[in-house]
Amino acid sequence: GESVGLHLPTLSVQEGDNSIINCAYSNSASDYFIWYKQESGKGPQFIIDIRSNMDKRQGQRVTVLLNKTVKHLSLQIAATQPGDSAVYFCAENMNGQNFVFGPGTRLSVLP
Amino acid sequence: DTAVSQTPKYLVTQMGNDKSIKCEQNLGHDTMYWYKQDSKKFLKIMFSYNNKELIINETVPNRFSPKSPDKAHLNLHINSLELGDSAVYFCASSQERGAWYEQYFGPGTRLTVT
Repeated sequence: GESVGLHLPTLSVQEGDNSIINCAYSNSASDYFIWYKQESGKGPQFIIDIRSNMDKRQGQRVTVLLNKTVKHLSLQIAATQPGDSAVYFCAENMNGQNFVFGPGTRLSVLP
Repeated sequence: DTAVSQTPKYLVTQMGNDKSIKCEQNLGHDTMYWYKQDSKKFLKIMFSYNNKELIINETVPNRFSPKSPDKAHLNLHINSLELGDSAVYFCASSQERGAWYEQYFGPGTRLTVT
């Protein structure tokens, strides 16, 4: 479910299920997007990227989907594992400048 | 081996003080960055340095000043600290300017201003 107010949106999934984390970006001219994972007490870590000339890109257990019409990104994690528990950020970039991070979603993997 | 390291990990200080956070990378990268992450987890880029030149300076108060003694170090100096400066500050580096896909982040420095 989700929480509001000062708390991050939270997604809770059962171990082994697939996770989908969503992100709305702000600038229709943004041409490059990255998903980051931030574990507790650590800095962000690159997961996967996608350019605006693509709709989908797959990595190891992760898939990013880009819908430019509605300015929406999603990150799909297959067979979610306890080690996937973290805060996930999308970030958008326009022409190499003004790299902007989204607000983040906390993924909690339940045993 | 730690790729990007920051010191200190925690910093508690009073309003009005001047403090510095150090960052070092051993990756041989040409570009280093400073980010601020507030209590709501919003992450915002503050500065980046490439070959000792400041190439990005977002709308950051001039109380904050990055200093790079060499390509492997980018320190953050903060003068006249304010309560609103409380945050986690992350250093990062990449081989090239704008190589966002290969940024390596440090572990962060949690600054608390009382």
